[in-house]
Amino acid sequence: AQSVAQPEDQVNVAEGNPLTVKCTYSVSGNPYLFWYVQYPNRGLQFLLKYITGDNLVKGSYGFEAEFNKSQTSFHLKKPSALVSDSALYFCAVRDITGGFKTIFGAGTRLFVKA
Amino acid sequence: KAGVTQTPRYLIKTRGQQVTLSCSPISGHRSVSWYQQTPGQGLQFLFEYFSETQRNKGNFPGRFSGRQFSNSRSEMNVSTLELGDSALYLCASSPGTQQGIDTQYFGPGTRLTVL
Repeated sequence: AQSVAQPEDQVNVAEGNPLTVKCTYSVSGNPYLFWYVQYPNRGLQFLLKYITGDNLVKGSYGFEAEFNKSQTSFHLKKPSALVSDSALYFCAVRDITGGFKTIFGAGTRLFVKA
Repeated sequence: KAGVTQTPRYLIKTRGQQVTLSCSPISGHRSVSWYQQTPGQGLQFLFEYFSETQRNKGNFPGRFSGRQFSNSRSEMNVSTLELGDSALYLCASSPGTQQGIDTQYFGPGTRLTVL
């Protein structure tokens, strides 16, 4: 079965420092991977996705993610964190076996301290 | 382009009642998916509608149902509400033509509280 794991419930980083939010996946076939961010009392906002091609995917708000097939990872990164990046981040995989649905990780809460 | 809209934003119901939530997708999008978000279970897929037909379904009981209209607007209905149905219900819109790689765009959600 397709699955996605976010091993950290929370990540703390100082403003201006680089940030990484981790995600690993398990799929049969080609992985279609997504990152979303959720601010309080809001829906999810799309950040970026990996379908095929270049392993480094660039997305919205300066975020990028690196697809690593051998490690089955898709970590979200940003070179310099902002306080406004503090939010809940979700990694997701598109399950294409027996129908199409998006499976989300449990989420990682990012705190950026000024 | 206007984003995904969901109404109402907040609902309070009592056990045993039923509720209907509405979602208007981005113009031109034909797929609408529904998700339930709770602190304990996270984000779980309910179902997806495309061109007025349910195309994919998650593992929820039959009390959860939905439909889609010819203008792609979708409604979700929950009958015989239980306390455990309290959640944020999110609707996601996508073009629907490339199921594997389409990006889903989410609405702000409807917060349902069951007392």
